[in-house]
Amino acid sequence: EIVLTQSPATLSLSPGERATLSCRASQSVSSSLAWYQHKPGQVPRLLIYDASNRATGIPARFSGSGSGTDFTLTISSLEPEDFAVYYCQQRSFLYTFGPGTKVDIK
Amino acid sequence: EVQLVESGGGLVKPGRSLRLSCTGSGFIFGDYAMSWSRQAPGKGLEWVGLIRSTTYYGGTREYAASVKGRFTISRDDSKSIAYLQMNSLKTEDTAVYYCSTSMVTTHYFDYWAQGTLVTVSS
Repeated sequence: EIVLTQSPATLSLSPGERATLSCRASQSVSSSLAWYQHKPGQVPRLLIYDASNRATGIPARFSGSGSGTDFTLTISSLEPEDFAVYYCQQRSFLYTFGPGTKVDIK
Repeated sequence: EVQLVESGGGLVKPGRSLRLSCTGSGFIFGDYAMSWSRQAPGKGLEWVGLIRSTTYYGGTREYAASVKGRFTISRDDSKSIAYLQMNSLKTEDTAVYYCSTSMVTTHYFDYWAQGTLVTVSS
């Protein structure tokens, strides 16, 4: 089983600040990694797939990078609606989600 | 418009069974894999399993280790429904269950149903 770890567990930032979220895989997943945003009471939303491709309708302030075992999701300037939990997910071998990073308002 | 609608959640006693349904519309159901994920109270997302496209992959199935042997995913493409049959339920199976499909991105979960709560408790 491929295990994903995310850091930090919580990120406290203000609107307008830059957010940098990390995801590390226990073994190489090549570029087979996605990022999802999940808000309370809503369904998860796909943001980034194949490590760096934005999904349909996702604003340009969201970007993804990395390959192999280390990945990053960057939100260039936080909007009020971006405060949520973010999960990485690998599909290199079946699927696994990371434990999530909560981005909350400072 | 692509839509996924779930049904079948509820309260069930440990050791009993429950079946969830996920009905799709707005797309050719048999052409796409259907996945199930869940979120236990206060926890993160957990992938449960998937059933691949009947059209292209013969409807083969995969499961997470935590549910393998207890949960079964099936599909009825004539009705555009995917099922999650959950047997020998445990209290730790209590969660909101989501079905999803991979339409635009082929392998990632770009459409999700609304989620249905399953509570396993005596």
